[in-house]
Formats: sequence, structure tokens, C-alpha cells
Amino acid sequence: GAGVSQSPSNKVTEKGKDVELRCDPISGHTALYWYRQSLGQGLEFLIYFQGNSAPDKSGLPSDRFSAERTGGSVSTLTIQRTQQEDSAVYLCASTRRGLAGRRWGTDTQYFGPGTRLTVL
Amino acid sequence: DQQVKQNSPSLSVQEGRISILNCDYTNSMFDYFLWYKKYPAEGPTFLISISSIKDKNEDGRFTVFLNKSAKHLSLHIVPSQPGDSAVYFCAASGRTSGSRLTFGEGTQLTVNP
Repeated sequence: GAGVSQSPSNKVTEKGKDVELRCDPISGHTALYWYRQSLGQGLEFLIYFQGNSAPDKSGLPSDRFSAERTGGSVSTLTIQRTQQEDSAVYLCASTRRGLAGRRWGTDTQYFGPGTRLTVL
Repeated sequence: DQQVKQNSPSLSVQEGRISILNCDYTNSMFDYFLWYKKYPAEGPTFLISISSIKDKNEDGRFTVFLNKSAKHLSLHIVPSQPGDSAVYFCAASGRTSGSRLTFGEGTQLTVNP
């Protein structure tokens, strides 16, 4: 089936503007994750959705960042009043099970191609 | 606090030889480890994983070794091929961290023909 898709692939915005990034997970995957990769850095966890449970927002760097997952499928990551340090590749991943049904081999996260965000 | 570290930012090997990528972790609660490969302008692609109840997992040319006492894992690629040239990320998860992955900084592998 189709993999994880993200849009847009590239986004250039001016400092202070709001941006929305979209993620379509693999059909049937119950868990969805957002990460970001800044230049020269590893992937940094941002937020995690599992089914209808309250999301794990512990990785969000500030209150300018928020995310929603509607209908247990598509997710949007919103960054308000963007700053230059928000420039990064934002990656979305999904997996069949999250913490609720954890078994070996089912935690593998499948990533989308990412959205490259540039804040001028 | 970098809980997963890949100390070598780059590695260069000859085609046909073995590539060994290393990863160290500090959190003793990690019990599941993965390697991802990433090409430019693409998302990371899952390569191979290992649970803490094992010390070795093999899949074709790729083998991951886990040394729990040393909190160290490594990825061996034999034989290395030019198409293996990519950034390799080590990642870990644990029951106390939910299913979120903690990634290393990545190692750029270049396989020369």
C-alpha cells in the first residue's frame, strides 16, 4: 500500500508567519509521530498520537507548536509566529501499534519524505 | 542530554569490504533498537532492529549486534555496495519512553567503487 505522505515538500516562510504541515499516515496505522531534523542534528521527537488517547506532547519545543490528528488519520503540525530556529526538516512517521499494543517488530516506524521548512 | 550517540559522523569504505557503524546509548531502560538509512531528500527507511533479549539479528547483508553490558550496538554491512552510501541513524525506545524513538546524530557512509 501507499507509504506515509507529507505536504508540502518544501515551505519557505517569513519570520512571524504561521505554517501548517500535513501528514497522511499509512492506512491502518494507529500511532503517528512528528520529528524534526535540524541541520547537522539527529531526529528530535516532537509529539506522538496513539488512537484516541491524549497525545504525548512532551517533545514540543514551545507553545508556538501544536498538532492535531483528526479522525485518527491525517495530522497537521502548526507552528505559530515562526522563528529562524524553526528551520528544519519536519518528519512524520506512523506505526501499527503504539505503547498500548507493544510487541517486538511492531514498533517499527515508517517515515514520510519530510517537509523542509525554511524561515527567512 | 544525548541518550543515543553515534560518535563517527562519517565512514568511508571500499566496495566489497565490511562497513561497521557504531552506536552507544546511556539509558538502561532502552530495550528496542533500530537502524534507519536515509538518502538525501527522503525520509529515513527502516533497515533492521533488535530487541534487548537478543544479542544479534541478521538480515541478508545486514547484521546488528547488541552488547547490553557496554550499552553499545553496531551495524555490520557485508559486503558493502555503492548503493549503501547514505546516512545511517541508530534509534532506541523503551517502555518508559513509550514508543517514541530517540535517535543518534547519524553517520554518513560512503562506499567507494
